[in-house]
Amino acid sequence: GAGVSQSPSNKVTEKGKDVELRCDPISGHTALYWYRQSLGQGLEFLIYFQGNSAPDKSGLPSDRFSAERTGGSVSTLTIQRTQQEDSAVYLCASSLVVGSGGAYVTQYFGPGTRLLVL
Amino acid sequence: GQQVMQIPQYQHVQEGEDFTTYCNSSTTLSNIQWYKQRPGGHPVFLIQLVKSGEVKKQKRLTFQFGEAKKNSSLHITATQTTDVGTYFCAGGAGTASKLTFGTGTRLQVTL
Repeated sequence: GAGVSQSPSNKVTEKGKDVELRCDPISGHTALYWYRQSLGQGLEFLIYFQGNSAPDKSGLPSDRFSAERTGGSVSTLTIQRTQQEDSAVYLCASSLVVGSGGAYVTQYFGPGTRLLVL
Repeated sequence: GQQVMQIPQYQHVQEGEDFTTYCNSSTTLSNIQWYKQRPGGHPVFLIQLVKSGEVKKQKRLTFQFGEAKKNSSLHITATQTTDVGTYFCAGGAGTASKLTFGTGTRLQVTL
């Protein structure tokens, strides 16, 4: 596709339920990132994929959060036993990593998934 | 870990006034990027700076990377209502792809 797509665009769930958020990066982009943005706040880094592996999971807030990427393309972010504090916009971005010394790491963001936990 | 702070958090200007946001990193950066997020939208890439002391211009926007590669600024001349949004800097370290985003500066422009 032309850009990064995310689904669903909006998700309302009840506390304690599991949710899955999907990200479809720009074709050919090897790097994929997940961020969380609470209302009026900055971008909180969650996890980064290079291909199918995740070199940096440091931002995942708890073990209720997990993410995977298969085929070097689509990624899913899963939140188990959702809590009200998980309510936020979850943004996915992808980038084309050229290589060392001249890496272009411009990130292209998707429209986000707005998650509301009641 | 690396921290990137921006000031101010919020600025309200009248159309035609200038605006500047400052970005400061706790560590030396290999590159700095700037993104703009319109209200209700997602961050959109504006520019990347790589060299120490680099200055780049995009129409009314001037971006600067500090000599020590630990700070950066974005200056908008003669703001317009279309400039409304939150401006984020994002710092890269080494060749890693991960960027650390700044805390953002929200700009409000009124007539």
